[in-house]
Amino acid sequence: DSGVTQTPKHLITATGQRVTLRCSPRSGDLSVYWYQQSLDQGLQFLIQYYNGEERAKGNILERFSAQQFPDLHSELNLSSLELGDSALYFCASGLDGETQYFGPGTRLLVL
Amino acid sequence: DQQVKQNSPSLSVQEGRISILNCDYTNSMFDYFLWYKKYPAEGPTFLISISSIKDKNEDGRFTVFLNKSAKHLSLHIVPSQPGDSAVYFCAASDYGNKLVFGAGTILRVKS
Repeated sequence: DSGVTQTPKHLITATGQRVTLRCSPRSGDLSVYWYQQSLDQGLQFLIQYYNGEERAKGNILERFSAQQFPDLHSELNLSSLELGDSALYFCASGLDGETQYFGPGTRLLVL
Repeated sequence: DQQVKQNSPSLSVQEGRISILNCDYTNSMFDYFLWYKKYPAEGPTFLISISSIKDKNEDGRFTVFLNKSAKHLSLHIVPSQPGDSAVYFCAASDYGNKLVFGAGTILRVKS
């Protein structure tokens, strides 16, 4: 158990819909990272938040957004969903900016 | 462009022998390297890391070697156990903002 929790574990929705994925980092970690793992793209970095502020952005679509709240939990919002957004979404957290500890992931299926 | 490459999609090893997983990178700005183990439908589990100022780091059965001039790192598992069977990902970090992952190597340890 990494100490990082993610909810929900599974999500099934339809194209065009909007979903919110939630992540609680390890106690004491200030950084939260979001990654997407799809079959053809591997693990891809989406976005990082550090103590409530956006710190780095990867190949995150404009339809996707994230935020980190004062209690350091983070939410990833995916809107206008397309079939190609079906993937595993992982949250990771870290303290020193180097080692990242991953949550169990949310499996999103868009039908 | 693939900045982190794991050229062997799979590796099969006999129980008790050494497993060697390899990884190459192209970005000389990477300063921290990590290995993660992953089971299907679970989050990556951190195994071991190495800073770019070192050439070796050991933790129990796991040793990571870094050859900066060749931009190459390897993970040695000795002795290999059936429970080590999983997908192994090499990852590299640039100043702690994100991890860039390789495509992964499936390790099968036969008993």
